[in-house]
Amino acid sequence: QKEVEQNSGPLSVPEGAIASLNCTYSDRGSQSFFWYRQYSGKSPELIMSIYSNGDKEDGRFTAQLNKASQYVSLLIRDSQPSDSATYLCAAYNFNKFYFGSGTKLNVKP
Amino acid sequence: GAVVSQHPSRVICKSGTSVKIECRSLDFQATTMFWYRQFPKQSLMLMATSNEGSKATYEQGVEKDKFLINHASLTLSTLTVTSAHPEDSSFYICSAKQGASDTQYFGPGTRLTVL
Repeated sequence: QKEVEQNSGPLSVPEGAIASLNCTYSDRGSQSFFWYRQYSGKSPELIMSIYSNGDKEDGRFTAQLNKASQYVSLLIRDSQPSDSATYLCAAYNFNKFYFGSGTKLNVKP
Repeated sequence: GAVVSQHPSRVICKSGTSVKIECRSLDFQATTMFWYRQFPKQSLMLMATSNEGSKATYEQGVEKDKFLINHASLTLSTLTVTSAHPEDSSFYICSAKQGASDTQYFGPGTRLTVL
């Protein structure tokens, strides 16, 4: 069983819509959670981190964490074509990051 | 702040040669550095974790004698791919974090092509 699981997609949404990306993790001891965006041929860049249950908002991005369900999500409001990328979910525990396989998002103009 | 650089960004080498990749934290002390490998259309695969001044901890299936990691200072870690073969061609990415922080900062990556 993988530590962190994501739907590989692709997830296609029209420009201006809300994109919803989901992630589940297996280790209940995971302490913190991260969403990274990775453009093709580039390294990941951090979008959001979340540590406690509930929602965390930063601009157009909202991360949601439910530790009871071991579930993390990322909402992107007013999606733009420039948001088209692969989104990686990661869980952190004992000085190690566990990455999901990523969800490819396509935002259509 | 929190900038990590990698050098070179791209390297092409012949089979059997060794390649060294440098990872530097430019504005913070990187007590821990991670080395990842990413094949096309796949996710990041952690190869090893290195703490400054200690031997690297390699993930299962990663040959420590083939992928030599040195983390001799708080700002520099190197990954040497020894006797590289075409199957080692990949995108190698380092990341760094400081102390007990759980935030890692990624370098821009090095694309290795072995002919």
